[in-house]
Amino acid sequence: EDQVTQSPEALRLQEGESSSLNCSYTVSGLRGLFWYRQDPGKGPEFLFTLYSAGEEKEKERLKATLTKKESFLHITAPKPEDSATYLCAVGAQKLVFGQGTRLTINP
Amino acid sequence: GAVVSQHPSWVICKSGTSVKIECRSLDFQATTMFWYRQFPKQSLMLMATSNEGSKATYEQGVEKDKFLINHASLTLSTLTVTSAHPEDSSFYICSASSRDRGLYGYTFGSGTRLTVV
Repeated sequence: EDQVTQSPEALRLQEGESSSLNCSYTVSGLRGLFWYRQDPGKGPEFLFTLYSAGEEKEKERLKATLTKKESFLHITAPKPEDSATYLCAVGAQKLVFGQGTRLTINP
Repeated sequence: GAVVSQHPSWVICKSGTSVKIECRSLDFQATTMFWYRQFPKQSLMLMATSNEGSKATYEQGVEKDKFLINHASLTLSTLTVTSAHPEDSSFYICSASSRDRGLYGYTFGSGTRLTVV
């Protein structure tokens, strides 16, 4: 059974303070690892899909990386508008989600 | 592109009544739609998977007779919560995918907040 564990559960940063979120996974065969952003009361918004170890993708202040056991979402010089819950998921047809990291960026 | 519209955004209903939630893919044909449930400060839990024109596949522990799913067309899936009770209060989210869009095809709706009083 696929499993996803995210850490930390919550993270509070000052504006401009870079950091990383972790997503550890256990799968029988990785079809894809997904990162989503979710704002309160909204559905998840797609950020990245990673397929193989060593792959990296970037979007504005976000960079996602993948190894055989975990993925990191690096946030560089974050702004208050980056505050959200970041979800990691694995799967193909069906997605298994981690519990998310609630990120708060203070101005 | 790849927009999924979900309605209503929120609904309050009385215990014992039924509520229908709609999920529409606006600019692509959704061969598969998924329904999730999310409790406060928790992650998304898959409830069921539906393919157009066939019966939904429910995850273990999800009552088929309580959560009725219909995927009658390539652009519309509905979730009906029958005989709702306060414990059914939750945030329900749909997502849609298409064979043509491969693994990029997971687009989520904006969610429906159901409160049963």
